[in-house]
Amino acid sequence: AQTVTQSQPEMSVQEAETVTLSCTYDTSESNYYLFWYKQPPSRQMILVIRQEAYKQQNATENRFSVNFQKAAKSFSLKISDSQLGDTAMYFCASGDMRFGAGTRLTVKP
Amino acid sequence: KAGVTQTPRYLIKTRGQQVTLSCSPISGHRSVSWYQQTPGQGLQFLFEYFSETQRNKGNFPGRFSGRQFSNSRSEMNVSTLELGDSALYLCASSLRTGRANGYTFGSGTRLTVV
Repeated sequence: AQTVTQSQPEMSVQEAETVTLSCTYDTSESNYYLFWYKQPPSRQMILVIRQEAYKQQNATENRFSVNFQKAAKSFSLKISDSQLGDTAMYFCASGDMRFGAGTRLTVKP
Repeated sequence: KAGVTQTPRYLIKTRGQQVTLSCSPISGHRSVSWYQQTPGQGLQFLFEYFSETQRNKGNFPGRFSGRQFSNSRSEMNVSTLELGDSALYLCASSLRTGRANGYTFGSGTRLTVV
């Protein structure tokens, strides 16, 4: 099974600024997928972005992008132009749906 | 199209009772997974069903069980409830097993055991 580690329990950022959330993982698989999920206070978990390990190009979805470092087994999430609605818990997850402990992000006005 | 529907949204049960939670996946999705979310333990995987068969199981006692019906709807049952079972239970569905595509989650059932 894959393991996923998020070492930042809480982070904050000013509105309109950029923030990066860290995630490391461990896997013995050669091809795999990684995901970032967002869980706002409404508690609905939402898929933010996915990365296929065999693709060299970092995934991007509007203001959200990843920095995927395969050799270092690192999968960080960058949020650009942060908005108040980005305030949420963010979870990194492996393809076999193991989740990290989460990072609570607060966007301040 | 309708999302993942979990019922009920909230539930209060007494220690020792049993409870059944329901999950209706997105139409066409055949994989359903269940998770327990608590402040102390985070998100923990319970089990995954695909086409009525349990494909994976997390590290939970036998009091936790589930099943999936032919229409892909799933139920999760917890017997002999303990105070520590109080949690948010999340259901998630995917077209196939979510390894490549990730999952769509429901809003969860908040279970409180008193």
